[in-house]
Amino acid sequence: QQQVKQSPQSLIVQKGGIPIINCAYENTAFDYFPWYQQFPGKGPALLIAIRPDVSEKKEGRFTISFNKSAKQFSLHIMDSQPGDSATYFCAASTENSGYALNFGKGTSLLVTP
Amino acid sequence: GAVVSQHPSWVICKSGTSVKIECRSLDFQATTMFWYRQFPKQSLMLMATSNEGSKATYEQGVEKDKFLINHASLTLSTLTVTSAHPEDSSFYICSAYRPDRGYGYTFGSGTRLTVV
Repeated sequence: QQQVKQSPQSLIVQKGGIPIINCAYENTAFDYFPWYQQFPGKGPALLIAIRPDVSEKKEGRFTISFNKSAKQFSLHIMDSQPGDSATYFCAASTENSGYALNFGKGTSLLVTP
Repeated sequence: GAVVSQHPSWVICKSGTSVKIECRSLDFQATTMFWYRQFPKQSLMLMATSNEGSKATYEQGVEKDKFLINHASLTLSTLTVTSAHPEDSSFYICSAYRPDRGYGYTFGSGTRLTVV
């Protein structure tokens, strides 16, 4: 059972555009929400993460928006570049699940020149 | 920064043989290690959680006798795929959890296993 639902499955934007990837969850015990970037044949790399006590967090060109009441969070990539083309995963975890990360299905992003 | 070294990065083996994948935390002690499997163009699926010095906890549907996990020290966890079959071909990734870093996770670079 997918505990974190991610959309869209794929996304194409032009260079400089702002791709937005959305995730939703049901388990209100989740208290850590990271986003990962993965290139083919590599392990996932942490981009940014948020706790439910804040509604937004920015790190460089990456922003997480968090809506606790709606149980949704999203990733915005500002001024996207072709080098951002990768697969992005949202995830969530809680002490109740032994801190294991529950991943969304992933979004394949293509940034065209 | 925290580094988890995963080896081998890729391996090809014959059906029926066993393959061992190692994950070492180079500059910190990993009390908990998670093992994931990822099929092409799919998400990471948790296989098991291992804590140093105790038996691994396997997710539903994962055969513990087939995927042997050992976490004998705070810096080394291993996954052994026994009697491998072509359907075991996948990308295996470990992730060390660091409670001292408050939800700090460090991923290995992954192992591409191909069973022929």
